[in-house]
Amino acid sequence: NAGVTQTPKFRVLKTGQSMTLLCAQDMNHEYMYWYRQDPGMGLRLIHYSVGEGTTAKGEVPDGYNVSRLKKQNFLLGLESAAPSQTSVYFCASSYSISGRSYEQYFGPGTRLTVT
Amino acid sequence: GENVEQHPSTLSVQEGDSAVIKCTYSDSASNYFPWYKQELGKGPQLIIDIRSNVGEKKDQRIAVTLNKTAKHFSLHITETQPEDSAVYFCAAGTNFGNEKLTFGTGTRLTIIP
Repeated sequence: NAGVTQTPKFRVLKTGQSMTLLCAQDMNHEYMYWYRQDPGMGLRLIHYSVGEGTTAKGEVPDGYNVSRLKKQNFLLGLESAAPSQTSVYFCASSYSISGRSYEQYFGPGTRLTVT
Repeated sequence: GENVEQHPSTLSVQEGDSAVIKCTYSDSASNYFPWYKQELGKGPQLIIDIRSNVGEKKDQRIAVTLNKTAKHFSLHITETQPEDSAVYFCAAGTNFGNEKLTFGTGTRLTIIP
């Protein structure tokens, strides 16, 4: 199993450009998440999905959109990139059984710089 | 919403000594408390977790304690080794159909040979 993969690994954008980050998981997990990681601020949840076709806002959703058309994929879009969106982005997936949460599996991250 | 505070932000210990990282949370409904280790250039990886129905859990050199009354939980690493050097994150979440986790701000642990 590849686990959670993210594409691309690195990207540089100019202010105002758009891009889509792709997350894929092969563990048949129901739940998927997008986080951003900034120095001294830990991991902050952007958007998440509790199943195919569903999405919900997290702690810092402004400026981002997401889609979960297939269970194994979770896309994060930036419509008009801003320097404040310079960050490392992590995707994660998880599952639950009878209401008990289990660990989130993280991808390797995408380092995005907006100039 | 939930708020998780983590201390210290950096910690240096001699190889072989113990390291302790502490977290507090605000939402009394939280009942799942995982700890993640992040090595340089990689995504976080779960090292241990604890649920609210127990007060302590051990896995070899790693242990986690939970005090629900005081709303704090701690990670203990004994007999530290160079490969323990990493950033550690605590998190808090619930099991009631809300699968979100709130993370602490991280602790950079350095093991001095």
